[in-house]
Amino acid sequence: DTGVSQDPRHKITKRGQNVTFRCDPISEHNRLYWYRQTLGQGPEFLTYFQNEAQLEKSRLLSDRFSAERPKGSFSTLEIQRTEQGDSAMYLCASSQGQPNEKLFFGSGTQLSVL
Amino acid sequence: RKEVEQDPGPFNVPEGATVAFNCTYSNSASQSFFWYRQDCRKEPKLLMSVYSSGNEDGRFTAQLNRASQYISLLIRDSKLSDSATYLCVVILNRDDKIIFGKGTRLHILP
Repeated sequence: DTGVSQDPRHKITKRGQNVTFRCDPISEHNRLYWYRQTLGQGPEFLTYFQNEAQLEKSRLLSDRFSAERPKGSFSTLEIQRTEQGDSAMYLCASSQGQPNEKLFFGSGTQLSVL
Repeated sequence: RKEVEQDPGPFNVPEGATVAFNCTYSNSASQSFFWYRQDCRKEPKLLMSVYSSGNEDGRFTAQLNRASQYISLLIRDSKLSDSATYLCVVILNRDDKIIFGKGTRLHILP
């Protein structure tokens, strides 16, 4: 399968714990995006990378959130000291970048903070 | 005004009917536009790009109105399988920010 893959598919954690999600983009895609989606809402932009460089972070991304893409391939999103409000679907997407910005999404990681 | 706005619906439409919905955007610098489809509990998938001249793909037609800052999606001869949430996507080429609308839910009724 050469699509975008995310791991884990589901994560249940207790409030205050740290969690880390992984995203493997399509191999030739140099852009990687993280979005968060809650029920009934569209995906909300969190951050994106051009190769290994993190080019933009949303104001939604508090200092408890950090994302990395160390070698310009896979990316990790870490949430420290999780809160119940962090419960959401975390979606990763990749693209070839300009001029073709068509996004290909992974299946997401569903986070539930108890 | 929100950057990208959509009527959340739901639109309940009988099978075979034609349905259309719009998406408005606030930033006139927006350059690229797309429609994505999202099925329940699934990831969004690209449905079609929206070109300045408008474009058609089978039963689906997308149009852009830059003067009024909206894009539209028209679905003809709707099928039960068209039931989904349709997400409008706008890209501000100035900073390559990709913004999603909240989506319009469509239910095709048998």
